[in-house]
Order: sequence, then C-alpha cells, then structure tokens
Amino acid sequence: EPEVTQTPSHQVTQMGQEVILRCVPISNHLYFYWYRQILGQKVEFLVSFYNNEISEKSEIFDDQFSVERPDGSNFTLKIRSTKLEDSAMYFCASTTRGLYNEQFFGPGTRLTVL
Amino acid sequence: LAKTTQPISMDSYEGQEVNITCSHNNIATNDYITWYQQFPSQGPRFIIQGYKTKVTNEVASLFIPADRKSSTLSLPRVSLSDTAVYYCLVGDMNAGGATNKLIFGTGTLLAVQP
Repeated sequence: EPEVTQTPSHQVTQMGQEVILRCVPISNHLYFYWYRQILGQKVEFLVSFYNNEISEKSEIFDDQFSVERPDGSNFTLKIRSTKLEDSAMYFCASTTRGLYNEQFFGPGTRLTVL
Repeated sequence: LAKTTQPISMDSYEGQEVNITCSHNNIATNDYITWYQQFPSQGPRFIIQGYKTKVTNEVASLFIPADRKSSTLSLPRVSLSDTAVYYCLVGDMNAGGATNKLIFGTGTLLAVQP
C-alpha cells in the first residue's frame, strides 16, 4: 500500500541553525500539507501546497518557514533559524483532492532544538 | 469550520464495544464528519467519514442522527492496540480552493485495558 515517507525520523539541531525536513508524498497525490504537534498538544496546520505554490498558511508559518517541491517526488519544509519553541513532531500529509478528503500522513520527524 | 466537542478520555476493556460521541451543534449543510486515529509518536490516520445516517467500514461504524448535531464513532470489540487518540473533525466537502486544512481538536484518548 502506498504511504507517505519522511526523513529524518529525528533531527537534533542547535538554536539558530537551519533545518530541512523531507517528505515523499504518495505518487499520484496533488495536494500537500505540513502539520506540527508540540509534545502533549494538538496537531496544528502549518501550510498547504498545490500546483507548486502555497494555497494557505497558518499564523505559525512565518517568514522563518518555507516549503518547496524541488522535483516530482519530494516536498520539503525548511526552517531558516530554529528556535527552542520549534521543537515538535512535524507531519507531512498528502491527498488526491483538495476537498475535505482523506489525508494520508507520514510517520513524522521529531525536531529537537537545543 | 464547525467547533467539535468530545470527551477528553475514555476507558474500556478488551472485547468491549466503544462508542465515542462528538457534538457539533453548528454543523453546516455542506459539512462532512470525519474521524482520525492517532497512536503515540505517529501521524493521524483516517478512520471513517460520513454525512448522515450510518456508515460502516472494516474498522468502525459512524452513526449520525437526522439533525447531524452530533455523531458517534463505534469501535466493535476493541483490543489493546486500539489505545489511541480519536479525533472528530467537521468540514466542508465541497469548499472551493485547494486547501481544506484539517483542524484538530484535543481528541479523545481511549485507553483499552486487558
């Protein structure tokens, strides 16, 4: 069964460093998302991406964040200068349609900022 | 997006049927009701979606009364591996645009004991 994959599974970085989280969505999906979940808290929407551009972003997704789909398979989330409060699980998701349809989530990347 | 309310936690024993109710008093005409499951340190996983009456799949059943102001997720014969957080989400299946982000609440933590 096709699945969303994410790398790395765990990333440790120093405050102020740049990190890139990588995702490979399901191959025929067209809509891509990043969510994050701080330990013990809710899953929060960050950004949605379709047709090579951002469709919507939350207030969390400030200028320090960017997304890219550099080729036909990868979807990346970059945090330019990490802060302690960026420590969280980051989930990538994809779906075939942008309607309120089933989103397939990856296993997540645990980001720890020291 | 309609606000949802569900119990913070529930306890059950193996082999029992579990019913988790979600209230969504302000559900709109175009809104669908969707349930996701999340195991610790994993991404959410789609369980079931419905609009009205009853929907059943290999994992669960979803009961929606005529007024659609609430819904009940039914898990038959739970096992220890069903211990997870269950989220009820309500959203417009026909919304225009390519986003349709998922808005997660705090969910219901189901603890299944032997």
